[in-house]
Amino acid sequence: QSALTQPASVSGSPGQSITISCTGTSSDVGGYNYVSWYQQHPGKAPKLMIYEVSNRPSGVSNRFSGSKSGNTASLTISGLQAEDEADYYCSSYTSSSTLFGGGTKLTVL
Amino acid sequence: EVQLVESGGGLVQPGGSLRLSCAASGFTFSSYWMSWVRQAPGKGLEWVANIKQDGSEKYYVDSVKGRFTISRDNAKNSLYLQMNSLRAEDTAVYYCAREDRIAVADHMGGVAGYYYYGMDVWGQGTTVTVSS
Repeated sequence: QSALTQPASVSGSPGQSITISCTGTSSDVGGYNYVSWYQQHPGKAPKLMIYEVSNRPSGVSNRFSGSKSGNTASLTISGLQAEDEADYYCSSYTSSSTLFGGGTKLTVL
Repeated sequence: EVQLVESGGGLVQPGGSLRLSCAASGFTFSSYWMSWVRQAPGKGLEWVANIKQDGSEKYYVDSVKGRFTISRDNAKNSLYLQMNSLRAEDTAVYYCAREDRIAVADHMGGVAGYYYYGMDVWGQGTTVTVSS
């Protein structure tokens, strides 16, 4: 039950695009197409942004997109906006547990 | 409105016990798997445990096995986490979350697996502090 690996921080200017990676193993990220991404603003509960690798829940901006290759999943945010500044967590479902990544702090410069 | 509201957090001494509750409203609670997720101060999210709709399956992260027990009362639309033998490292905000998943039937009428769509509803969290 090791945590998934994410970069500690990423940054970008308004209007730019950024990508956050999430690396696991063949037993989690690579073995299931059930990677989710969550956004968390300070002091708030997490919010589901992406599920099933690349699907967006209703109400989530299409500036958010997800993908996966092998044991690594990625979240891309295009057209960065100030409100996107937050912590982002990837998560992978397995048959007996759920793993989270360590989180990535996104700074909008 | 779909809502989850946690309660029961507080300050407890090492070795002590605490029972967290999560009240669900606005959806058919008995139709969903539910999870507890925690976040230590300044740290990331950590899944703690989850429970099937009827309580027949429960899973835990290794660090809480044998100390924490997840349960639910569908008649009361409530989820619980009984925490015993608490340690300083259990200090965290504890969130309850709804899991969106659909069972895939096998040819014998059982469950072969699940389509999993993430944790789509979260509570606001309740804080547990383990300290002497």
